[in-house]
Amino acid sequence: ILNVEQSPQSLHVQEGDSTNFTCSFPSSNFYALHWYRWETAKSPEALFVMTLNGDEKKKGRISATLNTKEGYSYLYIKGSQPEDSATYLCATNQAGTALIFGKGTTLSVSS
Amino acid sequence: DAGVTQSPTHLIKTRGQQVTLRCSPKSGHDTVSWYQQALGQGPQFIFQYYEEEERQRGNFPDRFSGHQFPNYSSELNVNALLLGDSALYLCASSWDRLQETQYFGPGTRLLVL
Repeated sequence: ILNVEQSPQSLHVQEGDSTNFTCSFPSSNFYALHWYRWETAKSPEALFVMTLNGDEKKKGRISATLNTKEGYSYLYIKGSQPEDSATYLCATNQAGTALIFGKGTTLSVSS
Repeated sequence: DAGVTQSPTHLIKTRGQQVTLRCSPKSGHDTVSWYQQALGQGPQFIFQYYEEEERQRGNFPDRFSGHQFPNYSSELNVNALLLGDSALYLCASSWDRLQETQYFGPGTRLLVL
């Protein structure tokens, strides 16, 4: 059974701070790592899907890296803004299997 | 292009009752997955439907069942509701079973009293 761990559980930063979160997952039979952003009262929104070891993806001020050999991914937010406040979920799956989610990291950005 | 839609948004039931939740996938998507998110937990996979058949199932009892229609929309049915079934139920759609990217609906909040 896959177990996906995210840390920290929650985080509070000031506007302009940069921050990062960690997602740990079993490296065996890895297929893909997914990051989602989930704002309150909205649908989870896909940020990145990464499959290759060493992958780095970027979307505006948000970027992510992937290490499949050691089983972790980092999500970075540069210059946090209040609109970045959300829960960030990571999920992983083996080929053809369902997504296994972590519990998420809840980010709160104060102006 | 409408995204994934779910109905109803909120629902209150009592123990022992049955409930049906509905999901319409994003246009062009043929695969629907259902997840349960209990308080303080990440979404947990219930099952996936593709070509009107249940293709994968998570660790949920038989009280949880589903259906997919020819237009790819889907229903989640829960029988003999328990207090512990209170949760947010999310539907996600994708265009292939390998689940490169899943698109989520806003969820249905179920409260069992």
